This record gives sequence, structure tokens and C-alpha cells, in this order.
Amino acid sequence: SQQGEEDPQALSIQEGENATMNCSYKTSINNLQWYRQNSGRGLVHLILIRSNEREKHSGRLRVTLDTSKKSSSLLITASRAADTASYFCATDLYGGSQGNLIFGKGTKLSVKP
Amino acid sequence: GAGVSQSPRYKVAKRGQDVALRCDPISGHVSLFWYQQALGQGPEFLTYFQNEAQLDKSGLPSDRFFAERPEGSVSTLKIQRTQQEDSAVYLCASRRGGGETQYFGPGTRLLVL
Repeated sequence: SQQGEEDPQALSIQEGENATMNCSYKTSINNLQWYRQNSGRGLVHLILIRSNEREKHSGRLRVTLDTSKKSSSLLITASRAADTASYFCATDLYGGSQGNLIFGKGTKLSVKP
Repeated sequence: GAGVSQSPRYKVAKRGQDVALRCDPISGHVSLFWYQQALGQGPEFLTYFQNEAQLDKSGLPSDRFFAERPEGSVSTLKIQRTQQEDSAVYLCASRRGGGETQYFGPGTRLLVL
């Protein structure tokens, strides 16, 4: 079963605009990670935020985490056509000491030039 | 350095045929994961290895699915008597000891006719 739910399912914006994707989850986590997947390709790790962190930045990416609401958001600023991809949040219940990530269904982002 | 590789990239099987999917993790990575990704969905966990030990196989959908990692490096996911519902992308990921980030391969796209 999938724990995370991304919102929206699909997002279409113009180059240069910001894109915001949200993720909600159900159980307590150790960390939450965001991945990108280009069509027909594997997943690329973007950013990890731990349960005791509230905000994290990496280049044009900004991630927030609200553990009281069990939600996270991914903001991509000044989007580019190359950002077109599916974005998934994934929760890690155990902080790497054990096993798997639990993924949501993803947000399909389309950035038009 | 080299990332996670998977072979074959594409596999077409007739229903009832056995298939074997291979994963070469990043050298030295202790943990190895298999995920199944149906079309339009997020990846779902299948099984997890730490070195050669299979610590979690709770995600394997039936006893037709079998995974091994005999020497703690390369892993093989075998599906016996394939069914149409097995059609999906099978993703492999590896993680270094003590790490939190999983590094994904490009996946094997399996189509069962």
C-alpha cells in the first residue's frame, strides 16, 4: 500500500514560474525524500528532510515538512523545460536502519517553454 | 563512479514463461532493494537485502516471485509462470551502509502478453 499522496496529480506551468507540489502521509516517519523520474527512466534523488527539520534548500528546490500535519511540500523556483518530469515523495519510517521507502503516486509536472 | 545498472532494460514474456531480472548495485553498497512500479503509479516495495541476507520480503506479491543476492553484490529477481498483472517496471536501488539515500537503476520494463 502507498502511504504518501501527492497533490496535485498533474501540474502545467510556463517556464520561469514556480511549481509547488504537496505530499501527505499517514504514519510517523524518520525522514521524507523527494525523487524525480523522467519518462521511462529510473528515479533520481532530489532532497531529504529529516523529521526534526522544518525546511531545507538545495539550489532551486525548497522542501518543507510539517510533522504535526503529516505533510511536506516541494517548491521548484524559476522552472525550466528540463524540470518536466514526475515527482514523488517517499517516506522512510526507520532512517535507513532497515528497509524500504514508501512512495506516493506522484505529481506529473509539465513546464512549457 | 558507475551507478546502479539493470538488465535487461526491456523484456517481453509470454504468459506462463519464467523471467530473471538482474541488478548490479553501486560497488560497496550494503543494502539492495527491489520495487515494482505499475503504469502511472509510484514504486511499491518488493524486497530488501542487507549484504546477502534477505531481511524483508513482505512486498513480494506471490510465491511466484523470488529474489536472491548470493554473494552480497549482484541480485536477481525471478518471476515464475508470469501473468499479465506482472507487467510493470521493476526498479532496483542500492544504499551504502548507514546511509539514507537510495540510488535507483533505470529499471526493467516487463511486458507479459
